Amino acid sequence: DTGVSQDPRHKITKRGQNVTFRCDPISEHNRLYWYRQTLGQGPEFLTYFQNEAQLEKSRLLSDRFSAERPKGSFSTLEIQRTEQGDSAMYLCASSSNRARTGSYEQYFGPGTRLTVT
Amino acid sequence: DAKTTQPNSMESNEEEPVHLPCNHSTISGTDYIHWYRQLPSQGPEYVIHGLTSNVNNRMASLAIAEDRKSSTLILHRATLRDAAVYYCILRGYGGATNKLIFGTGTLLAVQP
Repeated sequence: DTGVSQDPRHKITKRGQNVTFRCDPISEHNRLYWYRQTLGQGPEFLTYFQNEAQLEKSRLLSDRFSAERPKGSFSTLEIQRTEQGDSAMYLCASSSNRARTGSYEQYFGPGTRLTVT
Repeated sequence: DAKTTQPNSMESNEEEPVHLPCNHSTISGTDYIHWYRQLPSQGPEYVIHGLTSNVNNRMASLAIAEDRKSSTLILHRATLRDAAVYYCILRGYGGATNKLIFGTGTLLAVQP
C-alpha cells in the first residue's frame, strides 16, 4: 500500500504554459478531493469527485482549471495558461464512503509543488 | 461552515504533554470536531475526531468542553516528530462532500 500518490512531486513551468498533475487515490476509496496550499496558509478546497462524477467545485477553480476522474480511479488536474499566482502546493486526498460515524477521514498525498516563473 | 480559532504557535519540550486549544463558539449540534496535522513537506494527516465525548486513540486525546464551544488536542508525550501545524476543523455530519475547511492552524515547535 499504498497511500495516495501524486505525480510529479515538483513542477517548474513558464507563465502561459499548461500543466497537468496526476493523483492516484487509495484503491478502494471512491471520494477524491483536490486542495491548493500557499505558503503559510492551510489547504483550500478546489474540487470533489465521488466516483467519476465531479460534484463540487470551489469558486477558486477558475476557467483555466479543469479536473477529471475517468472511470472513478485516478484523477488529473490541468491548469491552462499558468500564471505566477498559480504557484502553490496542489494536494490530493481520498476517503471511503464507508466511514465510521462522523469520520470520513481524508488521506492526503504528498502534493505537487508548482512553481510558475 | 463554522469557524475555529487557534493560537498561531506554541512551544513544548520533548517528552512533556502538550495541550493545543481550539475555540469554536458557533459550532452547531451536528458538527464534528476534527484534528489534522501537517508535518513539514508532507500532506495533512488525520489525527482524531469527536462529537461530544472525549476521545482517545494511539496518536492523541481530544477533550471537548461540555458546551462544545471549545476543545483541546492533547499529545501526552511530545516527541520531535510531533513538530507540525495542527488544524482544528468543524465538519457537519452527512454533508454532501465532507470537504475540509482549514484555517491557519497552530504551529507546534518541540524543543529537545
